[in-house]
Amino acid sequence: GENVEQHPSTLSVQEGDSAVIKCTYSDSASNYFPWYKQELGKRPQLIIDIRSNVGEKKDQRIAVTLNKTAKHFSLHITETQPEDSAVYFCAASRNSGYALNFGKGTSLLVTP
Amino acid sequence: DVKVTQSSRYLVKRTGEKVFLECVQDMDHENMFWYRQDPGLGLRLIYFSYDVKMKEKGDIPEGYSVSREKKERFSLILESASTNQTSMYLCASSPPPLSEQYFGPGTRLTVT
Repeated sequence: GENVEQHPSTLSVQEGDSAVIKCTYSDSASNYFPWYKQELGKRPQLIIDIRSNVGEKKDQRIAVTLNKTAKHFSLHITETQPEDSAVYFCAASRNSGYALNFGKGTSLLVTP
Repeated sequence: DVKVTQSSRYLVKRTGEKVFLECVQDMDHENMFWYRQDPGLGLRLIYFSYDVKMKEKGDIPEGYSVSREKKERFSLILESASTNQTSMYLCASSPPPLSEQYFGPGTRLTVT
């Protein structure tokens, strides 16, 4: 199936700095790329997503960019806050059209 | 608000037992999914269903089966539990076309 690689596996930044998490995918037919945030002990929740007909999408302090040619997409968080500390998962759609392949996650720690 | 519930938050079973994990969603979603989450391995898809009585294997279906007799309910069955099935199990649902998946709170299963 689709392979989604996510880097880095852990990321530590100081409050106010930016954080970038990168993912690559292998199936050129993938057309939907969501990002989920999972706080400790809680369920994953969608924070932003992008479809293949769009190159960039922003929502306040978070943004996602997609490079279809290179088959990679990235999550950018600006002005990080301690409450941004969580595990972030990227995902890419499978060719079945119903399901997702998830990356292994990035544990982000924002220190005050 | 979409609500996805799972039958148990914590479960302890013995090796060889048959285990049922149930998931119920209240938003009339066509798609439902079962994942297992293990540290460092992210979210791995076990099975998914895109309609009543329809099911598709994910990446790690061995040792598991599923049942979807009603649209709102998707059950995961461990036919004969083994210690390597100790994990966090997450259920999710989504409407078509491929879009946000709403996760349940998870069931932490321990097989002794």
